[in-house]
Amino acid sequence: QKEVEQNSGPLSVPEGAIASLNCTYSDRGSQSFFWYRQYSGKSPELIMFIYSNGDKEDGRFTAQLNKASQYVSLLIRDSQPSDSATYLCAVKGGGSEKLVFGKGTKLTVNP
Amino acid sequence: GAVVSQHPSWVICKSGTSVKIECRSLDFQATTMFWYRQFPKQSLMLMATSNEGSKATYEQGVEKDKFLINHASLTLSTLTVTSAHPEDSSFYICSAETVAGLSYEQYFGPGTRLTVT
Repeated sequence: QKEVEQNSGPLSVPEGAIASLNCTYSDRGSQSFFWYRQYSGKSPELIMFIYSNGDKEDGRFTAQLNKASQYVSLLIRDSQPSDSATYLCAVKGGGSEKLVFGKGTKLTVNP
Repeated sequence: GAVVSQHPSWVICKSGTSVKIECRSLDFQATTMFWYRQFPKQSLMLMATSNEGSKATYEQGVEKDKFLINHASLTLSTLTVTSAHPEDSSFYICSAETVAGLSYEQYFGPGTRLTVT
């Protein structure tokens, strides 16, 4: 069974710091990797996706993928209180396979 | 980014009645849509995968006769909760998938909060 593991947290960082969120996955055939942000009581919002080994940057967010280690991470620079949310890692095989979600890491950014 | 809408955003119904939830992709066509359920403080749970023009594929443990899914067009999928009971009260979220070459991305609707009394 395909699994995605995340540290449930909570992860607490001060405002302005770098928040580092980690995720490992079990299926070596996984090809697409996604980070979603979910505020309490709201639906998930796609913030980053990555397909190739290495880093992908978008504003304050950087996704890092290491397929050999089956590891994907999300770095949030200059963290803001508005970044406080649960971050879901999701992994997908080839084609239109369903996403497999981790349980999420709750991030709190303290002013 | 791609926009997905859901209607209604919340609904209260009496036990035994049926409720229909609509999911629309507003600015793209989605051959595949997904329906999830989320209970408070729990993870997303995939209920079914819906492909336009064909029968939905349900996850293990999800009753297909209770949760009716219709994907009538490339922009609309509906979930009908039949004979709802209080234990069906939950946050129902759909997502729609965009495809561009080898890239498949899912965008979520805002969710529908169902309360069965």
